[in-house]
Amino acid sequence: QQQVKQSPQSLIVQKGGISIINCAYENTAFDYFPWYQQFPGKGPALLIAIRPDVSEKKEGRFTISFNKSAKQFSLHIMDSQPGDSATYFCAASMRGSYIPTFGRGTSLIVHP
Amino acid sequence: GAVVSQHPSWVICKSGTSVKIECRSLDFQATTMFWYRQFPKQSLMLMATSNEGSKATYEQGVEKDKFLINHASLTLSTLTVTSAHPEDSSFYICSAREERGVSQPQHFGDGTRLSIL
Repeated sequence: QQQVKQSPQSLIVQKGGISIINCAYENTAFDYFPWYQQFPGKGPALLIAIRPDVSEKKEGRFTISFNKSAKQFSLHIMDSQPGDSATYFCAASMRGSYIPTFGRGTSLIVHP
Repeated sequence: GAVVSQHPSWVICKSGTSVKIECRSLDFQATTMFWYRQFPKQSLMLMATSNEGSKATYEQGVEKDKFLINHASLTLSTLTVTSAHPEDSSFYICSAREERGVSQPQHFGDGTRLSIL
């Protein structure tokens, strides 16, 4: 049973556009929601994270929107750049568990 | 920021040999380290969780005798793939975190590409 569902599986965006990746979770005990960025041949790197006590968090061009009632959260990449082309994973973890459950990943391609 | 170093980054070896992969936390003490396996275009699959000074906890379906994990210090964990076979070829990634009991991000190494001939 997949506890964190991520969509779309792949995404193609033009340079300067907005990239949006969505995730939905089932377990209401999750209390930490990080997003990771992974380039080919590299390990994932923490991009941005949010806790359920806020509805939005912004860091530069990256924004997480969080909807607790709908159990959904999304990553928005504003002014997408070719250098943003990578695979993005959402994740969720529970207090005390510290082991994240990962989504299946989204392959983002930003065309110049 | 927290840095996790993984070595080697790429290894090719013959079937039947054992391969050791090291994972080091460079600027923090890692009470817990994790080992993942990732197949092409797929998500990370947690193999095992290791806590310093104790035995690793393996996920269901992961052979503990095949994948030996040692977490001898707060900055070093090793994964040994014993008697490796072509089906063990994969991308292995370690991660580490600093604190217990609180949801904190994992910091990932850059992975090890293992190819068994």
